[in-house]
Amino acid sequence: GENVEQHPSTLSVQEGDSAVIKCTYSDSASNYFPWYKQELGKGPQLIIDIRSNVGEKKDQRIAVTLNKTAKHFSLHITETQPEDSAVYFCAAIDYKLSFGAGTTVTVRA
Amino acid sequence: EPEVTQTPSHQVTQMGQEVILRCVPISNHLYFYWYRQILGQKVEFLVSFYNNEISEKSEIFDDQFSVERPDGSNFTLKIRSTKLEDSAMYFCASGIGGLYNEQFFGPGTRLTVL
Repeated sequence: GENVEQHPSTLSVQEGDSAVIKCTYSDSASNYFPWYKQELGKGPQLIIDIRSNVGEKKDQRIAVTLNKTAKHFSLHITETQPEDSAVYFCAAIDYKLSFGAGTTVTVRA
Repeated sequence: EPEVTQTPSHQVTQMGQEVILRCVPISNHLYFYWYRQILGQKVEFLVSFYNNEISEKSEIFDDQFSVERPDGSNFTLKIRSTKLEDSAMYFCASGIGGLYNEQFFGPGTRLTVL
């Protein structure tokens, strides 16, 4: 089955700096890669996704890149703000949603 | 904005007891899911449900687990005889489309088996 690895497990950035989270996946048949943000006491919430026919997607301060050959995909958050502090999960879909282990992002004011 | 809700937020039970975790998906959604997250581990898929039947299930979802949509609004996960290792956060999710569309997650139920 699909195995998603996510790094780093924790990330501390100064407000205004960029944050990058990287994931790899194992199943070349996976073709949809969502990213979820989880705030304290809440369930994961989709923030952006990318499909395998696209190499990059951007939504305001958030961007995702996908390298299907290398089976890598990344989340980039620019101009980080305190409200970006949360746990971020990458995921890949073959027949089910397979999550990475999560990255705890802390934005220092 | 519509949300997925789950009750209870925290359930404590004795090993061997049955528990039912309840979810109210978003009203016009057709696809329903359960996930679990053992403390310090990944969120893991348990089961997906569509058109009143299970569409996919993981190896975790054995005979001790069952799901039901008893009426038009609730979606339940039953664990027949809980084990210590069932202690986890259980998330319900729903979606209007299938697997390649957004899933909306509830806040979770923390299950503690003593």
